Amino acid sequence: AQRVTQPEKLLSVFKGAPVELKCNYSYSGSPELFWYVQYSRQRLQLLLRHISRESIKGFTADLNKGETSFHLKKPFAQEEDSAMYYCALSSNTGKLIFGQGTTLQVKP
Amino acid sequence: NAGVTQTPKFQVLKTGQSMTLQCAQDMNHEYMSWYRQDPGMGLRLIHYSVGAGITDQGEVPNGYNVSRSTTEDFPLRLLSAAPSQTSVYFCASSSGNLGEQYFGPGTRLTVT
Repeated sequence: AQRVTQPEKLLSVFKGAPVELKCNYSYSGSPELFWYVQYSRQRLQLLLRHISRESIKGFTADLNKGETSFHLKKPFAQEEDSAMYYCALSSNTGKLIFGQGTTLQVKP
Repeated sequence: NAGVTQTPKFQVLKTGQSMTLQCAQDMNHEYMSWYRQDPGMGLRLIHYSVGAGITDQGEVPNGYNVSRSTTEDFPLRLLSAAPSQTSVYFCASSSGNLGEQYFGPGTRLTVT
């Protein structure tokens, strides 16, 4: 079965602290993984995807197939990073399945 | 380009009523999906489509119908609304299963 788990509902850090948003997945095939972000009063939008191996707004995510994880990391959190973050997994059938979401709160 | 548009933005229904949530995209995307967003549950896939005339069920399809007669439109029908369908509904489209999903602004539905 295709499943994405984000164990933390809320992550609260101070500005300048490192951030790690956890994501674990379950999928029998070769996964395509994404992180989406929803800022307050804005539409859900793509943050990054593992196939691009890129860093967006200082965030990176590494696919660890052994641990079936795709954690999102940023070395120094900014207040503007406060948002809801969703990890998502795409199958070759066209389904995109999301995790439960983690609210990141960056305090000044 | 307008991107992905959804109507209405807000809707209140009584239990048992039916309605259709509209979704349209002008990016010529083949893939379109409907999600519902509930606190603590994240985004759950209701139905999706990989092209005109092709639809399939997602994680929570019960109580919802879809059709895809054109590439642009992907309406979601609630046949007999129930309070459990109170949620925020998002439509999304993408060019493929590896492509970025573009989301609409959402429809907030309350069923009393």
